[in-house]
Amino acid sequence: AQSVAQPEDQVNVAEGNPLTVKCTYSVSGNPYLFWYVQYPNRGLQFLLKYITGDNLVKGSYGFEAEFNKSQTSFHLKKPSALVSDSALYFCAVRDKDSNYQLIWGAGTKLIIKP
Amino acid sequence: DVKVTQSSRYLVKRTGEKVFLECVQDMDHENMFWYRQDPGLGLRLIYFSYDVKMKEKGDIPEGYSVSREKKERFSLILESASTNQTSMYLCASSLESGPSTDTQYFGPGTRLTVL
Repeated sequence: AQSVAQPEDQVNVAEGNPLTVKCTYSVSGNPYLFWYVQYPNRGLQFLLKYITGDNLVKGSYGFEAEFNKSQTSFHLKKPSALVSDSALYFCAVRDKDSNYQLIWGAGTKLIIKP
Repeated sequence: DVKVTQSSRYLVKRTGEKVFLECVQDMDHENMFWYRQDPGLGLRLIYFSYDVKMKEKGDIPEGYSVSREKKERFSLILESASTNQTSMYLCASSLESGPSTDTQYFGPGTRLTVL
């Protein structure tokens, strides 16, 4: 069965430090992978996605994610965290052979402390 | 920019009431989705629609129905609201289903409380 795991419910990082939010996946075929962010009291916003090609994907707000096929991971990273990055982050995956449906992780709350 | 709007940010209803949640997108997107978001469970797909009058069940369709009479509007209906339907409801749309066009854009959400 297809699935997405975000193993950390919460990640705490000091402002200015690098951050990583982890995501691993399991799909039957080659995946499309997504990261979304939800700021307090707002809808989800698209950050970035991996379709094919370069394993390092750059997205909005200085975020990037690295696709690692052997480890079936797609971790979200940022070199220097900002307090304003504090939000709920969701990883999602779609099997290339399926239509429409994304499989979503449970979400990771990122807290950046000044 | 894509804009997805939802009719209410907050809604309080009583058990047994019929509830309508409306979603409108302004970018001529083919696909529209209804999710519910609950803490620790991520997003769960209720229904989606890939064309006017077309719909498919998602992972948790029980207790819900949908209507898409116009391309820009997708309605979620709770026929008889129950307390376990208290949740955040998110609407989304995407242009098409191809790899470059399937990014989903979300509305701000409706927090529904059923008493």
